[in-house]
Amino acid sequence: GAGVSQSPRYKVAKRGQDVALRCDPISGHVSLFWYQQALGQGPEFLTYFQNEAQLDKSGLPSDRFFAERPEGSVSTLKIQRTQQEDSAVYLCASSLVDGRSYEQYFGPGTRLTVT
Amino acid sequence: AQKITQTQPGMFVQEKEAVTLDCTYDTSDPSYGLFWYKQPSSGEMIFLIYQGSYDQQNATEGRYSLNFQKARKSANLVISASQLGDSAMYFCAMREDNNNDMRFGAGTRLTVKP
Repeated sequence: GAGVSQSPRYKVAKRGQDVALRCDPISGHVSLFWYQQALGQGPEFLTYFQNEAQLDKSGLPSDRFFAERPEGSVSTLKIQRTQQEDSAVYLCASSLVDGRSYEQYFGPGTRLTVT
Repeated sequence: AQKITQTQPGMFVQEKEAVTLDCTYDTSDPSYGLFWYKQPSSGEMIFLIYQGSYDQQNATEGRYSLNFQKARKSANLVISASQLGDSAMYFCAMREDNNNDMRFGAGTRLTVKP
């Protein structure tokens, strides 16, 4: 079966450009998470959706970061006016239901490099 | 505040030997879940094992077991009979019941020697 997919896998952006990162969760998964993973570190939580509702965006580092999941399936993470410190791998994960005990299935990530 | 601590940046183990990767956590929530993920060089995060805070027994999944010591707030991963394919980064993570986010440690890079 299909897992979580993300596109593009690699993105190079010039400082100041806007980027959009896409996540296709596993079909039927209610919960969707975005993480940012800097080089040599563990993933850090950005935001969480339950179906189409964004229930938690406490991890978004600035108002340049925006995420949406309008129909409760595909999600897009948008970064406006990219800066060098935005360079990282952006991971998307989905979970069948919400709850602390349910494992999250991760996509392969999008590696963003801002030059 | 850092809630997950992995004190071993790197570990080496001989093939076929067992290895323990350390993880300690900090929470005031009595209800939480602990996870271990493997991240090979290809980058995908692979779920390995889960332990609930109220589980009485240590979790096991094949060659993976979790040494859960609640009073010490530790959740060490034990890999038995190491294989070359086990070489990867390993992350410990926790999700509290009253939080939506999953907190990850900094990871331990495991290298299995032939």
